[in-house]
Amino acid sequence: GAVVSQHPSRVICKSGTSVKIECRSLDFQATTMFWYRQFPKQSLMLMATSNEGSKATYEQGVEKDKFLINHASLTLSTLTVTSAHPEDSSFYICSAETSGRAFFTDTQYFGPGTRLTVL
Amino acid sequence: GDSVTQMEGPVTLSEEAFLTINCTYTATGYPSLFWYVQYPGEGLQLLLKATKADDKGSNKGFEATYRKETTSFHLEKGSVQVSDSAVYFCALTQGGGGNKLTFGTGTQLKVEL
Repeated sequence: GAVVSQHPSRVICKSGTSVKIECRSLDFQATTMFWYRQFPKQSLMLMATSNEGSKATYEQGVEKDKFLINHASLTLSTLTVTSAHPEDSSFYICSAETSGRAFFTDTQYFGPGTRLTVL
Repeated sequence: GDSVTQMEGPVTLSEEAFLTINCTYTATGYPSLFWYVQYPGEGLQLLLKATKADDKGSNKGFEATYRKETTSFHLEKGSVQVSDSAVYFCALTQGGGGNKLTFGTGTQLKVEL
């Protein structure tokens, strides 16, 4: 239970293009989804928190216009990296939280991550 | 603000050795505490959690006890296996849901035959 998927798992794009990453909760409804970024051998950095149907809340220093987050349904959130540049290359991980009784509340379940490489 | 401090790695152990990864935290109120594990190239998996003082979380032979008096949540396993090699993250969240996780820097564990 509590499975979160991400697609794609790996993407390589040219500088200046936009890339969309999907995050899905497969067997539960996610009340809140989170997007993280992880640099090699470092911890996770929270980028933004999103609730279904409302605007995402971005962490300080994260550009809203560059990292567009859409949380259109209780099982899907997307992160779009617009006009990507090499410095945006990173491992992006989403997580989802649920209030459903079958799973732990107050616990984030993580996706497998998406490796973005911008050439 | 809240913070989590973990022992630096990498930690290298022989198979069947005893493991301790230290984790201490600074937080207001009564946070929930977690250990997550990350295998190479993958996302994080919840290993165990504890939501109140003196709770013990356990899973797959790992355990950690929420010690409010020492603000600690050390991870232990009696006998590690090569398959336990991964990065372990200690984290906390303030209760109520929808609240962000505060992570430690992660500790890499390498288990050798």
